[in-house]
Amino acid sequence: NAGVTQTPKFQVLKTGQSMTLQCAQDMNHEYMSWYRQDPGMGLRLIHYSVGAGITDQGEVPNGYNVSRSTTEDFPLRLLSAAPSQTSVYFCASTPTYGGGFGELFFGEGSRLTVL
Amino acid sequence: QQQVKQSPQSLIVQKGGISIINCAYENTAFDYFPWYQQFPGKGPALLIAIRPDVSEKKEGRFTISFNKSAKQFSLHIMDSQPGDSATYFCAAPGDSGYALNFGKGTSLLVTP
Repeated sequence: NAGVTQTPKFQVLKTGQSMTLQCAQDMNHEYMSWYRQDPGMGLRLIHYSVGAGITDQGEVPNGYNVSRSTTEDFPLRLLSAAPSQTSVYFCASTPTYGGGFGELFFGEGSRLTVL
Repeated sequence: QQQVKQSPQSLIVQKGGISIINCAYENTAFDYFPWYQQFPGKGPALLIAIRPDVSEKKEGRFTISFNKSAKQFSLHIMDSQPGDSATYFCAAPGDSGYALNFGKGTSLLVTP
């Protein structure tokens, strides 16, 4: 059982480039989310999805785009990378949402550097 | 946006001592308060969580204490071990119920 798989683990971009961070889970979880982790800032929610075709913004959505075409996949797109987006990105999923939150299962993270 | 305030930012405890980390939250859509543990280079993992029909939950050496009227909850690590050295995050559901908001984390170092 792979759980939550993120790719790539490391990526270096130049300012203005675009890229997609991939996230896949094999636990049939309805809820998926993306967080970024920066020193001293904790984990901040970027976007989340409560099911295929449904997405919404979190605390820090600017500069990021998401879609959810299948239950398994939840890619995060950086439209035009900026140095402020240098961070470690975590994807997480859970089998419950709203009215009763369950355990979030996190991937191992994707470390992104924007030069 | 739900604010979750966590303290202290860092903590050094001797082996065998008690580690205490505190969290305060604002309004939540429902009562569910977890603590996550993160080791370097890894994603966070659920350590212990409480749904406050009780004021305290204990799992092994880890205990959550919850004070609903004060909107505070804390993590106690008894008999702290060097292997407990990690970053700990508290979290609380947001107003919409569709987001879990995290504190800024506490870096715990347990010295031998």
